[in-house]
Amino acid sequence: DTAVSQTPKYLVTQMGNDKSIKCEQNLGHDTMYWYKQDSKKFLKIMFSYNNKELIINETVPNRFSPKSPDKAHLNLHINSLELGDSAVYFCASTLASGEQFFGPGTRLTVL
Amino acid sequence: AQSVTQPDIHITVSEGASLELRCNYSYGATPYLFWYVQSPGQGLQLLLKYFSGDTLVQGIKGFEAEFKRSQSSFNLRKPSVHWSDAAEYFCAVGDHDYKLSFGAGTTVTVRA
Repeated sequence: DTAVSQTPKYLVTQMGNDKSIKCEQNLGHDTMYWYKQDSKKFLKIMFSYNNKELIINETVPNRFSPKSPDKAHLNLHINSLELGDSAVYFCASTLASGEQFFGPGTRLTVL
Repeated sequence: AQSVTQPDIHITVSEGASLELRCNYSYGATPYLFWYVQSPGQGLQLLLKYFSGDTLVQGIKGFEAEFKRSQSSFNLRKPSVHWSDAAEYFCAVGDHDYKLSFGAGTTVTVRA
């Protein structure tokens, strides 16, 4: 019964490759997010979608493209991966209460 | 723009001792405030939240936090820590569009 799930949990890839991370929530929430946690554990919001519409886009390079096929899914596609993209990426979702439920994270390592 | 400062990067506490983690926020209106905990290799779990009302908020795992508007603070406390409380703790402030801004986190180490 995982509330917010992400796949894969680990992703190791070469510079220049394109990769995707998937996120699904079974909580019935309307709003979903992507966060990036860097090596110093600093968490920063990247994107937010509400009912499949982009509502927050935080000056993220356009190599990052979120896609929400329906309100239960928010995927993150990254083109031309760079060393600096190495991080843990967290998906989260929320109802109108504002409390966000986080997925377990995807550790991306770019070599 | 909202922001959060957690002044303590790392705190070491003995098992059974009390714990207080500091959080100061900057936000123009009444904030939504949260404390999350992250165990090693895990996602974030909500400990407690403040939206309005009673300024002393009770959370899970025996944690509480007090909102002090005059000091722009939302400090987290636990009267007696357990070894399982060793983790990373994040304070966050949310705006009315539910965009969260996180502090840099405080690492808590519990010694026996």
